[in-house]
Amino acid sequence: AQSVTQLDSHVSVSEGTPVLLRCNYSSSYSPSLFWYVQHPNKGLQLLLKYTSAATLVKGINGFEAEFKKSETSFHLTKPSAHMSDAAEYFCVVRGISGGYNKLIFGAGTRLAVHP
Amino acid sequence: EAQVTQNPRYLITVTGKKLTVTCSQNMNHEYMSWYRQDPGLGLRQIYYSMNVEVTDKGDVPEGYKVSRKEKRNFPLILESPSPNQTSLYFCASSSPGTDTQYFGPGTRLTVL
Repeated sequence: AQSVTQLDSHVSVSEGTPVLLRCNYSSSYSPSLFWYVQHPNKGLQLLLKYTSAATLVKGINGFEAEFKKSETSFHLTKPSAHMSDAAEYFCVVRGISGGYNKLIFGAGTRLAVHP
Repeated sequence: EAQVTQNPRYLITVTGKKLTVTCSQNMNHEYMSWYRQDPGLGLRQIYYSMNVEVTDKGDVPEGYKVSRKEKRNFPLILESPSPNQTSLYFCASSSPGTDTQYFGPGTRLTVL
């Protein structure tokens, strides 16, 4: 069975400082992993995805994530936080259920950015 | 514009009063899903559909029904809503063999 664990429910950073949102995954086979972002009162937007190509994945808005099989991790980073990055972030693994590609979500990490 | 639409966006209702949340996509996707989002739990899949007339239960199907009579539409039906179904609901669609699901804007449901 596939699962993801987001290690922090809340992260608070100052504008201009680095962002690190941590995610560990569990999968019995090579996983497909995603990060989605949800801004307040908005829907979900795909930030980036890993599908067994390059282990360092670049996404939108300056975010990137590194797939580390030995650590079963897929942490999301950004070198310099912006106020507009304040949102909830979800780490997601693709599961297989009856041939359908199901998304399995972590509990979410709420990122606050302070001036 | 490629999109997934949901209606209504906000709904307040009372226990036991049947309701339907509509979902429509204009991308000709075969796959559609419903999720609910609750604080501290992320999103959990309620039902999914792999094509017209093909639906199956997700992780939390109790108290919900769906139908897929047309490819573009996937309504979520609550026959007798209860307060524990107060949540934020998302519809999503995708194509087979792709990794990206497209999400609707969400429907915030409150059951009193």
